[in-house]
Amino acid sequence: AIVLNQSPSSIIASQGEKVTITCRASSSISSNYLHWYQQKPGAFPKLVIYSTSYRASGVPSRFSGSGSGTSYSFTISRVEAEDVATYYCQQGSSNPYTFGAGTKLELK
Amino acid sequence: EVQLVESGGGLVQPGSSLKLSCVASGFTFSSYNMHWIRQAPKKGLEWIALIYYDSSNKYYADSVKGRFTISRDNSKNTLYLEMNSLRSEDTAMYYCAKLGWAYYFDYWGQGVMVTVSS
Repeated sequence: AIVLNQSPSSIIASQGEKVTITCRASSSISSNYLHWYQQKPGAFPKLVIYSTSYRASGVPSRFSGSGSGTSYSFTISRVEAEDVATYYCQQGSSNPYTFGAGTKLELK
Repeated sequence: EVQLVESGGGLVQPGSSLKLSCVASGFTFSSYNMHWIRQAPKKGLEWIALIYYDSSNKYYADSVKGRFTISRDNSKNTLYLEMNSLRSEDTAMYYCAKLGWAYYFDYWGQGVMVTVSS
C-alpha cells in the first residue's frame, strides 16, 4: 500500500496568513490521482482539490495545490476563519486508496 | 442532487454483527464504483472497502478482511456493509462514498456511527 506522510500534523495560523501542507508518498503517484479534502468538526470530508491542482466546484481561489511524483503540497494563500478544519491528502493511484494522517488548522 | 444516506449503525457488543446500508440518489448508481470509509473518534480517515459498479470485484482493507462484506443492489440503489465479529477497534463513523473519475471521493454520506462496547 502507498503510505502518505502528511506534515505538519497541526498548524496555528493568523487570519490572512499563508499556510502550506505537504504530502509525501512512499512511491510515485500520477498527479492525476492525488487529492485533498477539508473536514470541519462534526461534518463529513469535502473534496477541495482534485488531481493535484484543480479546485472542486465552489472552492475559493485561495485554495491551491501543486506537486508531482512523490511530493505534493496544498496551500491556503490567506487563511480565513471558515478554513478552520482538518485537511487530508488521498491517493487514488492504487488500491487501497490511502489517506494522509491529516493536518489540523487552527486560528491564532 | 447527489445524495448518499447511511443507516444501520448503533451500539453493539464485541463479537456481534451489524449491517449498514447506504441509499443513493441523484446519479446513475449502477455505473459507479462505491466505497466504505471509516473514521474512529478523533482519528483520521481509513478506507475499508470497494465494490465495482457491477459487483464483479470487491476489495478490503487488511483490518476488516474476512470479517466485513461489501455488497450492492443496483435495483434498489443501495450499498451495504455487513460487519461480523466486531471489535472495539471497529468503533467509528462509517461513510459511504462515490468514486469520481480520477479516483477521488466526490460525494460522501453524512455517516453512521458504530460503537462496539460491552
